Amino acid sequence: DAGVTQSPTHLIKTRGQQVTLRCSPKSGHDTVSWYQQALGQGPQFIFQYYEEEERQRGNFPDRFSGHQFPNYSSELNVNALLLGDSALYLCASSFGQALALQYFGPGTRLTVL
Amino acid sequence: QKEVEQNSGPLSVPEGAIASLNCTYSDRGSQSFFWYRQYSGKSPELIMFIYSNGDKEDGRFTAQLNKASQYVSLLIRDSQPSDSATYLCAVNKGAGNMLTFGGGTRLMVKP
Repeated sequence: DAGVTQSPTHLIKTRGQQVTLRCSPKSGHDTVSWYQQALGQGPQFIFQYYEEEERQRGNFPDRFSGHQFPNYSSELNVNALLLGDSALYLCASSFGQALALQYFGPGTRLTVL
Repeated sequence: QKEVEQNSGPLSVPEGAIASLNCTYSDRGSQSFFWYRQYSGKSPELIMFIYSNGDKEDGRFTAQLNKASQYVSLLIRDSQPSDSATYLCAVNKGAGNMLTFGGGTRLMVKP
């Protein structure tokens, strides 16, 4: 039973560039949530995708956008990167919407120089 | 006031002791509560969840929820050095699946 997978593992970008991170949910899961975790802090919710639509969004600017594909995999795009975007980006998958258990992937470490 | 608060620690306990980790939340409408363990450099791993007032036990772990006091805790019995990690408390307010996390408590179990 494959767990949540994310790619790439690490990424280094410069300010102003754009980045795309990818996530494949756990087998049988249909919902993908994205979180940002800065060093020494808890994860912060970015947004969630279900049935290829953004269902919920946290307090993140429009520079952060996403997509969900028919096979439930998802992408997180960040435009006009800032130094403060350096963080661990976590994808969590779950089944359904209400009070579902979320399981995290290994994360993508983004460094913005 | 943060929505979910945890003491950052470190909480240091000797091997074999009970570790008690605490979390308070501000939204009285919160419906479900989760504990994640995060080893350094790794992603969070779900270890416990609780929906109803009272205790829920799973092996060496016990989650306790008191909605009236807006308080949730995690007890780890017979602590082992391998339990040394950061423990994240997360809350779901019931509107969709969004989790709100505390900052985590770093636990150190000394042999």
